[in-house]
Amino acid sequence: AQSVTQLDSQVPVFEEAPVELRCNYSSSVSVYLFWYVQYPNQGLQLLLKYLSGSTLVKGINGFEAEFNKSQTSFHLRKPSVHISDTAEYFCAVSENGANNLFFGTGTRLTVIP
Amino acid sequence: DVKVTQSSRYLVKRTGEKVFLECVQDMDHENMFWYRQDPGLGLRLIYFSYDVKMKEKGDIPEGYSVSREKKERFSLILESASTNQTSMYLCASSLNTGSNQPQHFGDGTRLSIL
Repeated sequence: AQSVTQLDSQVPVFEEAPVELRCNYSSSVSVYLFWYVQYPNQGLQLLLKYLSGSTLVKGINGFEAEFNKSQTSFHLRKPSVHISDTAEYFCAVSENGANNLFFGTGTRLTVIP
Repeated sequence: DVKVTQSSRYLVKRTGEKVFLECVQDMDHENMFWYRQDPGLGLRLIYFSYDVKMKEKGDIPEGYSVSREKKERFSLILESASTNQTSMYLCASSLNTGSNQPQHFGDGTRLSIL
């Protein structure tokens, strides 16, 4: 079965600094990759997705992620964070042909003024 | 925009009660999902459904059942609630049976079992 690892459970970062949230997955088969964001007391909202094509994917709110097949990674980046980016971020993976999404355990991003 | 609506944001029930969590989506999606979210564990799939009256077990189905009588509605049932089922429950839907389809989530129901 697929497993998704988000090594950093918490990431504090100062406002306007860059941030990278790491995600690694286990399967070497064809996969689709997603990042979701969860603001306090809300459900999950899709930030971006990689289905095929360019390995650099741009999403909402200035976030982007890079798919690296050889390292089975899909790290999320933002060059300059805002206070409003404080939230929990989840990486998710689905395998080609499967209905399920496999989620990581989440990374809580805290932006410090 | 897809709207996934969960009937309650907060719910408090007693041990042994039968509990119903309701979820409705308004975009004619074929797939619907129920997850529970616990700190440090991320989201774990309880059940999903890819069609009316069809259901599949997820990773943690024990103690739960589901019902999908209409395409837009997917209910999660705790047959006899226990304290270890205190959690945040998230419903999601996706367009069809394609693994490249993103899931759309409701705002969650925070369930406390006393």
